[in-house]
Amino acid sequence: SYVLTQPPSVSVAPGKTARITCGENNIGTKSVHWYQQKPGQAPVLVIYYDTDRPSGIPERFSGSNSGDTATLTISRVEAGDEADYYCQVWDRSSEHYVFGTGTKVTVL
Amino acid sequence: QLHLQESGPGLVRPSETLSLTCTVSGDSISGSTYYWGWIRQPPGKGLDWIGNIYYSGSTYYNPSLKSRVTMSVDTSKNQFSLRLSSVTAADTAVYYCARPITPGRHNAFHVWGQGTLVAVSS
Repeated sequence: SYVLTQPPSVSVAPGKTARITCGENNIGTKSVHWYQQKPGQAPVLVIYYDTDRPSGIPERFSGSNSGDTATLTISRVEAGDEADYYCQVWDRSSEHYVFGTGTKVTVL
Repeated sequence: QLHLQESGPGLVRPSETLSLTCTVSGDSISGSTYYWGWIRQPPGKGLDWIGNIYYSGSTYYNPSLKSRVTMSVDTSKNQFSLRLSSVTAADTAVYYCARPITPGRHNAFHVWGQGTLVAVSS
């Protein structure tokens, strides 16, 4: 089955750049979505269709997708960005949405 | 403004059926072309997609849950529902309903309910 692999954790200092990867064979051929989830809250969509940002999401959040890796980049990281982040794709072969394993971002 | 609210029992006994309803306000299920979704999250774990439903009743489910899941829609009440049969402790999770960001199938979930915790225990 399709498995989206993310690093369990990423640590970043305030003001620096965090990069969260989402890996699977040929993920570049799929549309990738990214969610931010803070403790006790519902997920928030931060990037969809690889690079698009929903209304209200800061420009500091950006996405890319090529080859076997999709990446969520958070520039000028703030304390409020500390959260779990999940990638998601639609896997056509198995006909279902797949979420990544999740990455906990810690702001130092 | 679009708002989704899950409701249902917080405790279900093993082998019984979990039933949840999502009430939509700020949009009409029957007037839109969105596939409304259910997603769950076991405590301390990641997100797990359950299935989606269209206002017409058309559905598609996670293959791993398909044999136990039934979704339905009540356009008169602007609600859609989830039933999961033969539950076990592994079905203990926060259950979310959500609407995608664009109409049609296979799109990112944009608006989420607050979630409701369902525990499976005797």
